[in-house]
Amino acid sequence: GENVEQHPSTLSVQEGDSAVIKCTYSDSASNYFPWYKQELGKGPQLIIDIRSNVGEKKDQRIAVTLNKTAKHFSLHITETQPEDSAVYFCAASIYNNNDMRFGAGTRLTVKP
Amino acid sequence: DADVTQTPRNRITKTGKRIMLECSQTKGHDRMYWYRQDPGLGLRLIYYSFDVKDINKGEISDGYSVSRQAQAKFSLSLESAIPNQTALYFCATSDLAGGTGELFFGEGSRLTVL
Repeated sequence: GENVEQHPSTLSVQEGDSAVIKCTYSDSASNYFPWYKQELGKGPQLIIDIRSNVGEKKDQRIAVTLNKTAKHFSLHITETQPEDSAVYFCAASIYNNNDMRFGAGTRLTVKP
Repeated sequence: DADVTQTPRNRITKTGKRIMLECSQTKGHDRMYWYRQDPGLGLRLIYYSFDVKDINKGEISDGYSVSRQAQAKFSLSLESAIPNQTALYFCATSDLAGGTGELFFGEGSRLTVL
């Protein structure tokens, strides 16, 4: 089955700096790569996703890039703000398949 | 009100006890899931269901069972709880027809087994 690895496990940045979280996946059949943000005491919430027919997707301050050949994808957050502090999870699956595999999570802290 | 509601939010129990975690949703989604979250391990799928008659094992189903009583309700049972089932449990839903694959999570049920 799919195996997703995520790095780093913790990341601390200064407000206004950029943050990058990286994930690798093992199953070349995977074609859907979402990113979820989990705030303290809440369930994860989708913030951005990408399908394998594109290499990059952007939504305001967040972007995701995908390298299918190397089987890795990354989340980029620019101009970080304290409210970006949370745990971020990457995931991989075959689109609309039920067996989505998650990375171990990255705890991002943005220092004011 | 939350679209995906989990009860209880917190539960402390003893080894060997039977525990049920309940999930209800108002999103009208056909797919429902139970995930377990452990520090350093991310989210792992326990069971999922497409509709009332459909139950499927996930990555870590041993020691758990589920029941899909209605389209809106999906419960997770631990028949005889053990300490290594101490974790944060999440119910989630997604939409099959016209869905994007997005999972909608509840706020979690924290279970401690002593």
